Amino acid sequence: EAGVAQSPRYKIIEKRQSVAFWCNPISGHATLYWYQQILGQGPKLLIQFQNNGVVDDSQLPKDRFSAERLKGVDSTLKIQPAKLEDSAVYLCASSTLRRGFSGELFFGEGSRLTVL
Amino acid sequence: SQQGEEDPQALSIQEGENATMNCSYKTSINNLQWYRQNSGRGLVHLILIRSNEREKHSGRLRVTLDTSKKSSSLLITASRAADTASYFCAKGTAGNKLTFGGGTRVLVKP
Repeated sequence: EAGVAQSPRYKIIEKRQSVAFWCNPISGHATLYWYQQILGQGPKLLIQFQNNGVVDDSQLPKDRFSAERLKGVDSTLKIQPAKLEDSAVYLCASSTLRRGFSGELFFGEGSRLTVL
Repeated sequence: SQQGEEDPQALSIQEGENATMNCSYKTSINNLQWYRQNSGRGLVHLILIRSNEREKHSGRLRVTLDTSKKSSSLLITASRAADTASYFCAKGTAGNKLTFGGGTRVLVKP
């Protein structure tokens, strides 16, 4: 079974530039998550999709971050314009829906962003 | 805010020793999960314990859950150099939501 695919693995940009990350979840997984992990910290949830609808985006900085999940499969996360504090690893994860309760999450390798 | 705070933040042990890390949380949960992250990699699920369970085993891993104290512990027995990683607990709540703590960095010295 193929895992969660993410690209690019690494990206270096100047502040105020834009960047986009792509995620392809495990086939059949209804729930998709984007987490931000700053060096030395635990992952922080940015947005959670259930199929192609948003379940939780309460911690997404909506003035600069946007995300979409087309046709309930692939997802993109965009940052525009980027700030220095956006330097982090952006982790995508997916899971099956089990009667509304959280089950095991499957993570991709992450996209490491450095903002100069 | 991060639910599921781990203690200690860092742990250094010799190969063959046991490693214990603790996790506390603030509100009610459906389950408590533990994940491992090797340097520069994604997170890997280790074990899930439901709120109505008290103890669970998986290989060299033992997880306990005390809902009255809102705490959980992860024990790794007979540690190996390959166990060197960061370990995160995550609180599972309704709506398929998972909230991670800050992690415990474990170094196993050969």
